[in-house]
Amino acid sequence: QQPVQSPQAVILREGEDAVINCSSSKALYSVHWYRQKHGEAPVFLMILLKGGEQKGHEKISASFNEKKQQSSLYLTASQLSYSGTYFCGEWTDRGSTLGRLYFGRGTQLTVWP
Amino acid sequence: DAGVIQSPRHEVTEMGQEVTLRCKPISGHDYLFWYRQTMMRGLELLIYFNNNVPIDDSGMPEDRFSAKMPNASFSTLKIQPSEPRDSAVYFCASRGTGYEQYFGPGTRLTVT
Repeated sequence: QQPVQSPQAVILREGEDAVINCSSSKALYSVHWYRQKHGEAPVFLMILLKGGEQKGHEKISASFNEKKQQSSLYLTASQLSYSGTYFCGEWTDRGSTLGRLYFGRGTQLTVWP
Repeated sequence: DAGVIQSPRHEVTEMGQEVTLRCKPISGHDYLFWYRQTMMRGLELLIYFNNNVPIDDSGMPEDRFSAKMPNASFSTLKIQPSEPRDSAVYFCASRGTGYEQYFGPGTRLTVT
């Protein structure tokens, strides 16, 4: 039980945009996005609850399509600091805080000057 | 707040030895998670606790792995005996009333 992320890797020039997708085979209650820089721990970016909600963090935003069981992370005008591995996590235990978070394999984003 | 604290940061040991990893969660957080990260398998949840009680240990690889949380401010993950395939980065994370998990810096374990 693990969401599928695509693409596996993205290489960008500073200022370019990117989209990272996360798909699940199960009904989702929420989708969580984390970023992990090389040699560091994952850091929480945002959570999206069911209902097609969109959120933003700096110039990073995300959407959640509950019906399609998909979430997408949008990175606009990428900065060098955006480089890292992005993980989506799916929370399928509807209505309960005791559910576990399943992480995808990650998308490695590299931004070049 | 100091954040999640893990020790040691690096551990190199020989196959067959016992390894103990330690974690201090953020004060007031009542969830604690142990993850293992490798290139092959990504970020895997091994076990998590709620109010010091293990809730889901289905990710623990085998009987060589054990985890305890004797109180709200301390948890251990023990591997006995260790094997080279246990080499990985082990993260501890904690969570409070919200959904955000706060990860510790990790312990890089190398078993030779």
